[in-house]
Amino acid sequence: KNEVEQSPQNLTAQEGEFITINCSYSVGISALHWLQQHPGGGIVSLFMLSSGKKKHGRLIATINIQEKHSSLHITASHPRDSAVYICAADSGSARQLTFGSGTQLTVLP
Amino acid sequence: DTGVSQDPRHKITKRGQNVTFRCDPISEHNRLYWYRQTLGQGPEFLTYFQNEAQLEKSRLLSDRFSAERPKGSFSTLEIQRTEQGDSAMYLCASTPENTIYFGEGSWLTVV
Repeated sequence: KNEVEQSPQNLTAQEGEFITINCSYSVGISALHWLQQHPGGGIVSLFMLSSGKKKHGRLIATINIQEKHSSLHITASHPRDSAVYICAADSGSARQLTFGSGTQLTVLP
Repeated sequence: DTGVSQDPRHKITKRGQNVTFRCDPISEHNRLYWYRQTLGQGPEFLTYFQNEAQLEKSRLLSDRFSAERPKGSFSTLEIQRTEQGDSAMYLCASTPENTIYFGEGSWLTVV
């Protein structure tokens, strides 16, 4: 069992739909990151969460520390949101990250 | 550009050759990480520097791999005697306290 698991692995949505990507982790963490990776490799940090909820534009990230679960929500999805979304647990004293395998999101026009 | 930059972006090499990747982190970030990512997988931790000190190495980092960060600025990751299984994207990241910045990655193809 991976220490960080994401679901679903692949998600196709129609433009405008509300999207949820889930992340469960088994390690103790100091924070959880949500990252976005576009084709070609570049990774952008979307959120870093240690508790509660954060919102940035149409993106919302929540975390439940007791249940070791986090979700990334996208409201009013758009084709430009198509990317791989990765959650990563920040657990070590060296702040190394343990990554999930990613969720490939495709938003169709 | 003040982001994390990596060079080269793409490298094709023959099996058995040595390759070196360079990462220039954001200048005020003292923590620097190397990760490896293969297709369809999330990145895997390779090694971590705080300033010039290499503080942690993954068991994924075999003796063919070496990383340095002289003077605590740029870092290099060298792979000696490359194998086909080394084909992957090598990502560098640097961090201040509360977020992480990734480079664009260096794609390695070993043929």
